[in-house]
Formats: sequence, structure tokens, C-alpha cells
Amino acid sequence: GAVVSQHPSRVICKSGTSVKIECRSLDFQATTMFWYRQFPKQSLMLMATSNEGSKATYEQGVEKDKFLINHASLTLSTLTVTSAHPEDSSFYICSARERFLAHEAFFGQGTRLTVV
Amino acid sequence: GQQVMQIPQYQHVQEGEDFTTYCNSSTTLSNIQWYKQRPGGHPVFLIQLVKSGEVKKQKRLTFQFGEAKKNSSLHITATQTTDVGTYFCAGPRGNTPLVFGKGTRLSVIA
Repeated sequence: GAVVSQHPSRVICKSGTSVKIECRSLDFQATTMFWYRQFPKQSLMLMATSNEGSKATYEQGVEKDKFLINHASLTLSTLTVTSAHPEDSSFYICSARERFLAHEAFFGQGTRLTVV
Repeated sequence: GQQVMQIPQYQHVQEGEDFTTYCNSSTTLSNIQWYKQRPGGHPVFLIQLVKSGEVKKQKRLTFQFGEAKKNSSLHITATQTTDVGTYFCAGPRGNTPLVFGKGTRLSVIA
């Protein structure tokens, strides 16, 4: 299947700093990318949907100014957690849909964020 | 919140026993997908069901989509230790194409 690369896989940062997570589709063009957050032993909670070249659509309760999403190209989307706090510590996963294989979502490996 | 409800939350089985997880929606779904997430890993797509009453098989896994397209199930026959993980159903909600159920965590005792 198609490959989605997410980087970094783990990051530890201090409270108040910002962290950028990258999500790349390596062998296909991703018109739509999704960002999820997953707390331990819980489900994936959709944070936002980003379409290439347009603003992301955020789910209710997700702060746009805190979780900045950029989808500037068909192969790259970034999520920046701004002014991170310990409660932002979580597992963040991106997924992408290929332009011509629209039903299947391919997931990145995830990023474990720990804010200290 | 999530539109798709999934039960049970946990299931512990002896190796060789069968396992089933169920997904229910309050509204008709255009499609439903199933994913498996191994401990420490990321979700991996298993299958998509689109047609009313559809049944699909993948070796020991059987997927069903209800006639009303409001429920779905995943059944594993004769579980193996390699089946361990969390199984999620996922479906569309409004304009969002993929929203996940809470998942069923399967553990298999050898």
C-alpha cells in the first residue's frame, strides 16, 4: 500500500514552546490529510481535515490558533502545536487519502509528544 | 462526539476461540471501514464495506454490513496471538469522511 511518513516519531518539549509535526505521502498525492489525537488506550479523535491549498477544517473543541495546520503541497501537511502544555501530551497521527483511491486512508507512524 | 458506537470495549479470549466486535450508528452510513492497530503501532486499513448486507472475508476475518447500513461486525474465527490489537470501525460523519469508533481491544491468551 501507499506510504505515509510522519516525523518526528517522538518529541519532548518544554511548556510554552512550539512543536512541528510533518506528514508526507511518499508515493502518492494526498489531496486530503487528517490529523488525529489518541490518548492512551483510547480511540483516535479527529482534530482537523486539511485539503491541499485551502484552510483546514477543525473539529469542534479544537483550537485553531493552538493547532496550526498547513497543507501547502499534495505530499506534505504539517501540524504545529503552539505554546504546548503538559495536557497536550498525546499521540498525534496523520492520515492521507490518495487522489484516485479515495476510500482508503493511509496512516503515518504517529508522533508521541511529551510536554514537560 | 463520535457517531459510531463500538462494543465491546475489551475482549479477552483463549487462542483458538472466536471473537466478534460490533459497530452501530444512529444514522445510515454510506460506507464503513475497519482498521487494526497493533500495540504501539498505527492503524492499518483492513476493509471497506459499501453495499447493504455486504459480507466480505479475509482468511479468518469476516466483515458484515447490515441491511439498513447502520451496523457492522467483524468476526475472527479461531483467534491467534497475531490477532492481538485494537480493532476500530470508522465511518463518515457529515462532511468528515472518517470518524472512528472507540475500538475493541483484543487480547489472546495462548
